[in-house]
Amino acid sequence: SVLTQPPSASGTPGQTVTISCSGGKSNIGSNTVNWYQQVPGTAPKLLIFSHDQRPSGVPDRFSGSKSGTSASLAISALRSDDEADYFCASWDDHLNAVIFGGGTRVTVL
Amino acid sequence: QVRVEESGGHLVHPGRSLRLSCEDSGLSPHGIHWVRQAPGKGLEWVAAMAHDGIKKFYSDSVKGRFTISRDTADNKLYLEMSSLRPDDTALYYCATVRLLLEDGAFDFRGQGTMVTVSS
Repeated sequence: SVLTQPPSASGTPGQTVTISCSGGKSNIGSNTVNWYQQVPGTAPKLLIFSHDQRPSGVPDRFSGSKSGTSASLAISALRSDDEADYFCASWDDHLNAVIFGGGTRVTVL
Repeated sequence: QVRVEESGGHLVHPGRSLRLSCEDSGLSPHGIHWVRQAPGKGLEWVAAMAHDGIKKFYSDSVKGRFTISRDTADNKLYLEMSSLRPDDTALYYCATVRLLLEDGAFDFRGQGTMVTVSS
C-alpha cells in the first residue's frame, strides 16, 4: 500500500488507542485524509473525513489529525465494540487515484 | 437518504466479462466510486466517476479492462469488467462521494456484490 499503517493495535477498555498512517507529498501531503471503520463481516463505514471531521452519528471518541505527510486516528475511551479494522485513505495526485492504507486491526483486550 | 444497492456479481471464468450494477435511489450530486475487497484482504479502490459522467478515474490494476458508466434513465451506475483475472476476485462496493470526487471520502451504502473469477 502507498499509505503505511501498523497491522495491529490494542488496548483495554477505557484506554486511548492511536493509529498512524504515513504517506507522501502527493497524497497526504497535498490532500485530505479519511478514515474508515470495518467491523468484520460488514461494509466499511466512513469514520473521519477531511482530516478531522466526523459524519453525523460518529461519536467524538474518534478523532483525526494530520501533520505533513502523516495522519493519525485516535480512539479514546475504548469500548469492546470498537474492535474492527481501520483504514486510512487519501487522493494521490501522481496516480490520479484513491489510495488506502493496508488497514489496522484494533483489538480490545 | 442516498441508498445504493450493488448487484450482478457471480462466478465467471478467467478472460470473461461481467457487468455490475449499482442502483441509486438518490443520485449523489458529487459522484460515485467502486471499491473492492478480496477475501481476507484490505480495501482497494477501483474507479470513480463524477456526477456528470464525464470525469472518470481508474486504478492501474483495472485500467483498460474496466469501464464505469451511468444510465440516468434508470438511475443505475455500472462497472463493466472485461478480461477478468483470478485476482479480480473480490467483494465489490459502490460508494457515494461525500464532498469532492478527488478526496477519498465516500459513504458505503450497500453490502457489496461478490465476484469470483475461477476456472
